[in-house]
Amino acid sequence: QKEVEQNSGPLSVPEGAIASLNCTYSDRGSQSFFWYRQYSGKSPELIMFIYSNGDKEDGRFTAQLNKASQYVSLLIRDSQPSDSATYLCAVKTGGFKTIFGAGTRLFVKA
Amino acid sequence: DTAVSQTPKYLVTQMGNDKSIKCEQNLGHDTMYWYKQDSKKFLKIMFSYNNKELIINETVPNRFSPKSPDKAHLNLHINSLELGDSAVYFCASSQGGGQGRTGGYTFGSGTRLTVV
Repeated sequence: QKEVEQNSGPLSVPEGAIASLNCTYSDRGSQSFFWYRQYSGKSPELIMFIYSNGDKEDGRFTAQLNKASQYVSLLIRDSQPSDSATYLCAVKTGGFKTIFGAGTRLFVKA
Repeated sequence: DTAVSQTPKYLVTQMGNDKSIKCEQNLGHDTMYWYKQDSKKFLKIMFSYNNKELIINETVPNRFSPKSPDKAHLNLHINSLELGDSAVYFCASSQGGGQGRTGGYTFGSGTRLTVV
């Protein structure tokens, strides 16, 4: 089992819809959870972080964490073509390491 | 500008050469990292320094050697470059990279290394 798993996609949604991105992790001692956006040829950019169970909202983005299920998700409301990118889930394990998932490619169709 | 600065952006070199990549951050973060992103876009940790102490040293060939002269700088030196070393190398920094909760990373712009 991979330490951080994401569906590679591509996930295609129409403009204005909600995009839902999911991630599972294996280390129950994990304490910090992140979502990064990476455009082609660019470096990853932090868009959300969450530490506690529940939802955390920031603008059009909502991160959801369920530690019992070892599951973290990202919802993007009112998706825009500019949201088309690869979204990386990252998990800080119980030690020092932050492990990245392989990423989900999102396409938002105008 | 506050940022993570990484140089060079592109590096094309022949097999067997030795090269270095430099990284500097002015964010006041206490932890710096080197990640390798392969052709499938998978980001893999290589090294991490927390307050100048090496805390992550993944299984990478010993041809790769990190050096952190101070908290704001982390360099990567690669000896005897091989074709398989071709990838994008990202430097990153964060606050609180030790045990426990950590802040998110700020990444440098990446160094695309091509070994021919």
